[in-house]
Amino acid sequence: DTGVSQDPRHKITKRGQNVTFRCDPISEHNRLYWYRQTLGQGPEFLTYFQNEAQLEKSRLLSDRFSAERPKGSFSTLEIQRTEQGDSAMYLCASSRRTGGAGVTEAFFGQGTRLTVV
Amino acid sequence: DQQVKQNSPSLSVQEGRISILNCDYTNSMFDYFLWYKKYPAEGPTFLISISSIKDKNEDGRFTVFLNKSAKHLSLHIVPSQPGDSAVYFCAASPRRKGGGADGLTFGKGTHLIIQP
Repeated sequence: DTGVSQDPRHKITKRGQNVTFRCDPISEHNRLYWYRQTLGQGPEFLTYFQNEAQLEKSRLLSDRFSAERPKGSFSTLEIQRTEQGDSAMYLCASSRRTGGAGVTEAFFGQGTRLTVV
Repeated sequence: DQQVKQNSPSLSVQEGRISILNCDYTNSMFDYFLWYKKYPAEGPTFLISISSIKDKNEDGRFTVFLNKSAKHLSLHIVPSQPGDSAVYFCAASPRRKGGGADGLTFGKGTHLIIQP
């Protein structure tokens, strides 16, 4: 399978605990994105990386959230001191930056569903 | 404030007929638009895109139309099939210098139901 892979698919945690999610992008894609989706809403952009550099963070990404992409390959999203409001589907996507005016669509993984109890 | 709006939460269409899903945007910096399809418990799947230099893009049964002056785009599916039943998201991005899409801004989605 050469798509975007996310692990775990589901995570139930107690309020106040830390959680970490992993995303493996499509191998030739140099851009990696994290989104969050809650019920009845579209995905909301959190942050993205070009290779290992984190280029943009949404104001939704509070200081309890941190994302890394060491060596420009897989990425992790950590949430510290989870709150019930963090319950959502966390989606990872990847795309390939091209030179000139070319753009490529973002391909999404199946997501990690987080439930904070 | 919603920069990408899908005002119809749901749409029911008879199999074989045309499905038209609408999307409006407010940010003039958007110049790359995409449609994604999502089944329950899965991530969104890319369907079709359009750049602001075009007003139409077609791929098989799917056609996207862009009206820049009205800041409106639509997705036409013809003929509609039962497997098209899903939530459809409209998304937009500004295109930065050097190419590549930045983070996408999504609408809330339209649940399309194809009736047999």
